[in-house]
Amino acid sequence: DTAVSQTPKYLVTQMGNDKSIKCEQNLGHDTMYWYKQDSKKFLKIMFSYNNKELIINETVPNRFSPKSPDKAHLNLHINSLELGDSAVYFCASSQADRNTEAFFGQGTRLTVV
Amino acid sequence: AQSVTQLGSHVSVSEGALVLLRCNYSSSVPPYLFWYVQYPNQGLQLLLKYTSAATLVKGINGFEAEFKKSETSFHLTKPSAHMSDAAEYFCAVRDTGFQKLVFGTGTRLLVSP
Repeated sequence: DTAVSQTPKYLVTQMGNDKSIKCEQNLGHDTMYWYKQDSKKFLKIMFSYNNKELIINETVPNRFSPKSPDKAHLNLHINSLELGDSAVYFCASSQADRNTEAFFGQGTRLTVV
Repeated sequence: AQSVTQLGSHVSVSEGALVLLRCNYSSSVPPYLFWYVQYPNQGLQLLLKYTSAATLVKGINGFEAEFKKSETSFHLTKPSAHMSDAAEYFCAVRDTGFQKLVFGTGTRLLVSP
């Protein structure tokens, strides 16, 4: 049973399009995240939600809009895609305690052409 | 703000040799530290975590890490490398206040026969 699942795994799209990535966790966690991994493997936090409330928004262009319909889901919608948006996007979840780890999904490889 | 530095973007070892991956942290409070592994085209998997209970932490797949406050280090070791250990390894620290994980730049472990 997959703990954190995100779809799709691969996404190839043209510049200017709008796309969404979905994420679901079945661990009962209260916090969910979106991370971006660039071509050099660097991982950077984009957003974090705690109990459906946005708590972290790390200077991400407003073309990126997260939505959390409930504690178990966190979706990422991207408008007007640009070449520089090509990356691997990871969803993760955790409990809101400092000593707990985050569990990651398998990632969505987004390629903008 | 908390941060981690991983020395060496690539580490090469022979099968059966000692693995040592370096991580130094910067934190104004006692840190919570994590090591994750990422196999090709997969998400991040937790190897081990330090939460102040013990300075020597044992993880999965024979890995362990020692927390040294005097050196602000949390290096990852494995006595004998296997070919299957070839992957990207990330050190991370829990950021105070916002609860996000802040990652190092990663170290690619290469294992040769």
